[in-house]
Amino acid sequence: DAGVIQSPRHEVTEMGQEVTLRCKPISGHDYLFWYRQTMMRGLELLIYFNNNVPIDDSGMPEDRFSAKMPNASFSTLKIQPSEPRDSAVYFCATNPGFGGEQFFGPGTRLTVL
Amino acid sequence: GQQVMQIPQYQHVQEGEDFTTYCNSSTTLSNIQWYKQRPGGHPVFLIQLVKSGEVKKQKRLTFQFGEAKKNSSLHITATQTTDVGTYFCALARDNQFYFGTGTSLTVIP
Repeated sequence: DAGVIQSPRHEVTEMGQEVTLRCKPISGHDYLFWYRQTMMRGLELLIYFNNNVPIDDSGMPEDRFSAKMPNASFSTLKIQPSEPRDSAVYFCATNPGFGGEQFFGPGTRLTVL
Repeated sequence: GQQVMQIPQYQHVQEGEDFTTYCNSSTTLSNIQWYKQRPGGHPVFLIQLVKSGEVKKQKRLTFQFGEAKKNSSLHITATQTTDVGTYFCALARDNQFYFGTGTSLTVIP
């Protein structure tokens, strides 16, 4: 298995633009997590899915953020409209069972100008 | 908000010295995990502790879970430059997953 795949690896956009981050989980992993990492706030859980269903989105900062998991092989995190304070590294992580080892993707470094 | 505190936030050591990071929770934990993130990289799972007072070793790394299951520590003996990175504790509670604030380790050759 290639591990968790994220795209793009880097994204630079202007304020107000829509940004879509993508994640392909490890096959067979029922849980998928989206995290945001910044120097100020550390590693924050935004939302997680179990069997493609969103379970807890209490970490999503505001309505500009949305996440979907249309099938077991794909998830997206969308920011619309983006703002400079959204600049961060966004990680997708998956695991076969909640509470166990999480496997992280390489992350997407987002810069909003 | 952040519920898992780690100390210290930063640590600079001379190569060969030991290093310890501590993770503290205000509530009893069912288990705790440790991750390492290299500069520019992503968090990588190191270990999970479950039992009260548990001690696990991975080569030069020693992990401990407190007797009251409210704290944990990671100790590295004789650090090497390959140990550079940020070490995070992490835990699952109330169907949420929390990462600690992390300890950034710099090893001076």
